[in-house]
This record gives sequence, C-alpha cells and structure tokens, in this order.
Amino acid sequence: KAGVTQTPRYLIKTRGQQVTLSCSPISGHRSVSWYQQTPGQGLQFLFEYFSETQRNKGNFPGRFSGRQFSNSRSEMNVSTLELGDSALYLCASSLALGDTDTQYFGPGTRLTVL
Amino acid sequence: GEDVEQSLFLSVREGDSSVINCTYTDSSSTYLYWYKQEPGAGLQLLTYIFSNMDMKQDQRLTVLLNKKDKHLSLRIADTQTGDSAIYFCAEKTGGYSTLTFGKGTMLLVSP
Repeated sequence: KAGVTQTPRYLIKTRGQQVTLSCSPISGHRSVSWYQQTPGQGLQFLFEYFSETQRNKGNFPGRFSGRQFSNSRSEMNVSTLELGDSALYLCASSLALGDTDTQYFGPGTRLTVL
Repeated sequence: GEDVEQSLFLSVREGDSSVINCTYTDSSSTYLYWYKQEPGAGLQLLTYIFSNMDMKQDQRLTVLLNKKDKHLSLRIADTQTGDSAIYFCAEKTGGYSTLTFGKGTMLLVSP
C-alpha cells in the first residue's frame, strides 16, 4: 500500500503571498491531520478533517485553512505569508477508528518564506 | 492541560541499549506513541501502547508505561548507527486523532 504523499516537497515564497499544500492519504484512510514543525515550537497541531468536515482545530490564526475532498485528499492554505510561517508542514492520515486510531505521516512539505 | 516533555539529547555507543524517557500530564491519555524522524524526513511510527498496559515489546523496542507517574520510556536494544535520529513521544486524548508531541530526543549513536 502506498504511504501518505505530500506535494510539493519544497516551496519558496515571499512575504504576503499565499500557498497551497496537498496531501494524499493512505488508501482507505478517512481522516487527515496537519501539523506544523518548527525548531522553536516543535510539532504543533493545525487541524483535522474527516469526511470533508473539519472536526478539530489547533491554535493557529485564520490565515491557516484547509479542506478535504470526497476522495479524502486534503489541501491546506496559508494566506498572507509571514516569515514565521517557514516550517515543515506534515500531513498524517488514519482510519479514524476512535481510540485505536493510529496516524501515519507523510514526508512533509518544507516551506521557506523570504 | 496537555503537555509532553522529553530530554533533548542522548548519546550512546553502538551495541549499547538506549533509553529515551517521556513524561505527560494528561491523565485521560488513551494511547501513547513513539515516532522516529530522520533528517529531512517525516515521522515514522515505531510503536504505541494503550494506557491500560504496562509494557509492550516489539523486536528491539520495549515500551514501559508507568501510569501513576505518567512516565513513558522507549528502550532500544543493541542500538545501531542507523538508529541515530530524533525520537518523539506523543499522546492521544479524547475521541479525535489529534496528537500532542514532546519536543523530541536526539539520539546519537557512535561506532
């Protein structure tokens, strides 16, 4: 079975621009979560989507948004980019089986904001 | 509130055992996980333990859970240079899939 895939792997943007990152979950997985990883803050939860609905959200400003499509693929968007948005953005998918759920991560998208 | 803490660095010699420790604060944690991250890569799931278990063994990996002290450890037997990476402890609470991670422990294995 193919793992979680994320595109693009690397991205360079300038302040004020917007960016869209894509995530394809493992086949059959219905939940997709997004995390931001930075050296200072570590791994922080952004949001989770299940059946095209956002069911949990972390403590990030409204510039960060996402969506999920009917095939469970997900995109996240960051508008009005700031230097502090430079990070590794990780996507994780799971079967969404409640307590026994296990998340599998993709390789990440490295975003650099200049 | 939720908080997961880990020591930042561990250095061992090849062939020795490594023990990486983690403490968590949320007593309602259902599952606790260990992930491995190599340079430039995403997170690789190593193992997990349900909160009603004390120990889980999986080949070279042994996870110990002390629920009373909210302490979790990962023991890697016969550590190899390929085990050099950052190891993250994470807890899952509630019914969603959300994980709360520690800051990660960098394991350096020298020949």
